Amino acid sequence: DARVTQTPRHKVTEMGQEVTMRCQPILGHNTVFWYRQTMMQGLELLAYFRNRAPLDDSGMPKDRFSAEMPDATLATLKIQPSEPRDSAVYFCASGLKVIGELFFGEGSRLTVL
Amino acid sequence: GNSVTQMEGPVTLSEEAFLTINCTYTATGYPSLFWYVQYPGEGLQLLLKATKADDKGSNKGFEATYRKETTSFHLEKGSVQVSDSAVYFCALTDFGNEKLTFGTGTRLTIIP
Repeated sequence: DARVTQTPRHKVTEMGQEVTMRCQPILGHNTVFWYRQTMMQGLELLAYFRNRAPLDDSGMPKDRFSAEMPDATLATLKIQPSEPRDSAVYFCASGLKVIGELFFGEGSRLTVL
Repeated sequence: GNSVTQMEGPVTLSEEAFLTINCTYTATGYPSLFWYVQYPGEGLQLLLKATKADDKGSNKGFEATYRKETTSFHLEKGSVQVSDSAVYFCALTDFGNEKLTFGTGTRLTIIP
């Protein structure tokens, strides 16, 4: 059963620490998205890739966030340094041919104290 | 720019009640419209979609019709079940753009 896998599922850290979230997209999918979900802002698109190339990261705070795809099976989202306002659930999603049909992982819940 | 407006929740209904969750959109072109569902502790799943005016998307007893004249895509189900309790998101893509724009989500709780 193909699925998007995200790690860690939960992360509690202190302000100023580096946080790295990882995503394994569904094998063969060529687009990868990072979304952040909070009660106040809902779902926000942070970045997305097609064929591993970054296409849009305009939703991401550039000074502290970075997103990469070192290879087709791994996408990473890094926050350095983390701040309490970064506390949220971060979702990775992948897709293939049909625009708008995305497969989401279960999310990484981040708490920054 | 593109935007999606959903009715505010939470919505609480009794089992077997009729459900409507309103969704309206603003888009510069000819969007495709989607409903995603998020069950507790899980990621979002595509529920249904419609890609052009007057199309009806349907799945698991849920339906939504793409109404261009009212820029709406309301979600309906004739008889809800406890297992339908979840958060429902309306979303769109525009101009063949791969990016999904989501509404704020509507939390639905069904009581036995």
